[in-house]
Amino acid sequence: DTAVSQTPKYLVTQMGNDKSIKCEQNLGHDTMYWYKQDSKKFLKIMFSYNNKELIINETVPNRFSPKSPDKAHLNLHINSLELGDSAVYFCASRHRVGANVLTFGAGSRLTVL
Amino acid sequence: GQSLEQPSEVTAVEGAIVQINCTYQTSGFYGLSWYQQHDGGAPTFLSYNALDGLEETGRFSSFLSRSDSYGYLLLQELQMKDSASYFCAVPNTDKLIFGTGTRLQVFP
Repeated sequence: DTAVSQTPKYLVTQMGNDKSIKCEQNLGHDTMYWYKQDSKKFLKIMFSYNNKELIINETVPNRFSPKSPDKAHLNLHINSLELGDSAVYFCASRHRVGANVLTFGAGSRLTVL
Repeated sequence: GQSLEQPSEVTAVEGAIVQINCTYQTSGFYGLSWYQQHDGGAPTFLSYNALDGLEETGRFSSFLSRSDSYGYLLLQELQMKDSASYFCAVPNTDKLIFGTGTRLQVFP
């Protein structure tokens, strides 16, 4: 059983398009995240949700819109894709705010042409 | 702001011991974690230090000195499969902030 699953694993698209990445966790965790990993492997927090409520938005452009229909799911929709959006996007979950261990999904590699 | 600095790359041979350092600047401190990430894979949790000293988990150990704002990950009896990127991280109340990452290459 995959603890944190993301789909799709790979996305190749043209500039200006809109795309979504889905994430689901079956760990019963309260908190979910989106992280972006760039070509230099730097992992940067984008968003955090706790029990469906947005608690962190790290100055991410408005083109990125997360949605959490329930505490087991956190999706990421990106409008008007730009070249600089090319990266690996990781979903992660944590048992509760303040707990020390994040469980990551396998990542979704987005390539914008 | 918060920052965590690591060497960008470390190389070693199989069977050797390697130390990956992490220096941090944080507004509050709640412990230091380490994650491993193989190429094409997801970061996975390795260890956590809340207090000063050495924590040992098999071939891997992690050390923390809060007075020096410094920690390290020690990998012993290196194996080829240890070739990966290693990240230190500090938990903030609502998030985990990651270091710049160290790529470890193990040679036969």
